[in-house]
Amino acid sequence: NAGVTQTPKFRILKIGQSMTLQCTQDMNHNYMYWYRQDPGMGLKLIYYSVGAGITDKGEVPNGYNVSRSTTEDFPLRLELAAPSQTSVYFCASFPRQGHGGANVLTFGAGSRLTVL
Amino acid sequence: DAKTTQPNSMESNEEEPVHLPCNHSTISGTDYIHWYRQLPSQGPEYVIHGLTSNVNNRMASLAIAEDRKSSTLILHRATLRDAAVYYCILRPAGGTSYGKLTFGQGTILTVHP
Repeated sequence: NAGVTQTPKFRILKIGQSMTLQCTQDMNHNYMYWYRQDPGMGLKLIYYSVGAGITDKGEVPNGYNVSRSTTEDFPLRLELAAPSQTSVYFCASFPRQGHGGANVLTFGAGSRLTVL
Repeated sequence: DAKTTQPNSMESNEEEPVHLPCNHSTISGTDYIHWYRQLPSQGPEYVIHGLTSNVNNRMASLAIAEDRKSSTLILHRATLRDAAVYYCILRPAGGTSYGKLTFGQGTILTVHP
């Protein structure tokens, strides 16, 4: 199993440009997440999804959009990129309810985005 | 959302035990306590979890206070490869909060040779 795959690994954007970070998982997990991590800081939840067609805001959703048309894919769209969006972005997935406490988050390797 | 509080940083010497504390005074009765760690330049990875009883696995041990308002991740013999940021989070067992998983700042563990 590949787990959680993110693309691209690195990207440089100019202010005002737009782009989409791709995330796909092959574990049939219902829940998917996008987090951002600024230098020296912890993870902040941007958006999450509890299943295809259902998304919800996290702690820092402004400047981002998401969609979930399939169980496998959860792309993150940046519109009008700003320097404040320079960060490392992590996608993660999580199984559906049940299985007691054994459900754990599986993270991708991250996408490093720089906005100049 | 129930929150956790951890020290910003801790230091240890190689091959010594490390006790990483986490306070979660607003924990609900059905919240699981999960620990993740993030090695340099990598995504976080699962370490251990528990509900009420102490837990052991090949990576670490988890000691949970009787009132569940705090827990401690124990690395029995720290190695240089254990240098990472350690996160303690609460994971609801179900309900509307089940899927919203948030992280705090974590504890930066430095291991000295």
